[in-house]
Amino acid sequence: NAGVTQTPKFRVLKTGQSMTLLCAQDMNHEYMYWYRQDPGMGLRLIHYSVGEGTTAKGEVPDGYNVSRLKKQNFLLGLESAAPSQTSVYFCASSSAHPNTEAFFGQGTRLTVV
Amino acid sequence: AQKVTQAQTEISVVEKEDVTLDCVYETRDTTYYLFWYKQPPSGELVFLIRRNSFDEQNEISGRYSWNFQKSTSSFNFTITASQVVDSAVYFCALSETGRRALTFGSGTRLQVQP
Repeated sequence: NAGVTQTPKFRVLKTGQSMTLLCAQDMNHEYMYWYRQDPGMGLRLIHYSVGEGTTAKGEVPDGYNVSRLKKQNFLLGLESAAPSQTSVYFCASSSAHPNTEAFFGQGTRLTVV
Repeated sequence: AQKVTQAQTEISVVEKEDVTLDCVYETRDTTYYLFWYKQPPSGELVFLIRRNSFDEQNEISGRYSWNFQKSTSSFNFTITASQVVDSAVYFCALSETGRRALTFGSGTRLQVQP
């Protein structure tokens, strides 16, 4: 049972480079989310999607873009990476909101130098 | 103002001690849900429990128990007879109808010493 799978698990970028984080879920969930985790700050919502073809901004969307072209995939893009984007990124999915738990991927540790 | 407050940044206990992790939340919704997640050193987030705002019964699952009190807007988590494997960061989270995702507290790091 794969659940939520994130690719890659680790990445080091130079300032100004771009990259895309891929999230895939096999649970047929409607809702998908991208969070970032920083020390002492918990998880903060970057962007989310309530269904295929939809995206919306979360708490800290600046510097990121997302796309949900297929229901099972949610992509997070960094167009021009900055050191402030050094973080652990988590993708999650849920079948409904607000009454169901979210299932999380294993995380992507991104370092921007 | 923070919607979910976990005031304890780090707690250290010795194995077999009981420990309570505090969570205070803020919402105007009448229907909402509260969650606890565990993040072990390996890094993944593991769902522990969900509680809806209409159910104030305390819940017990093995060594884990949860105390939900609407009057104080708290949803505290107690581990009885702690074990080294309980060492992790624990997150409390709030789910509201008006917000399309979970809102997390900043987490409490629990270290259980042998």
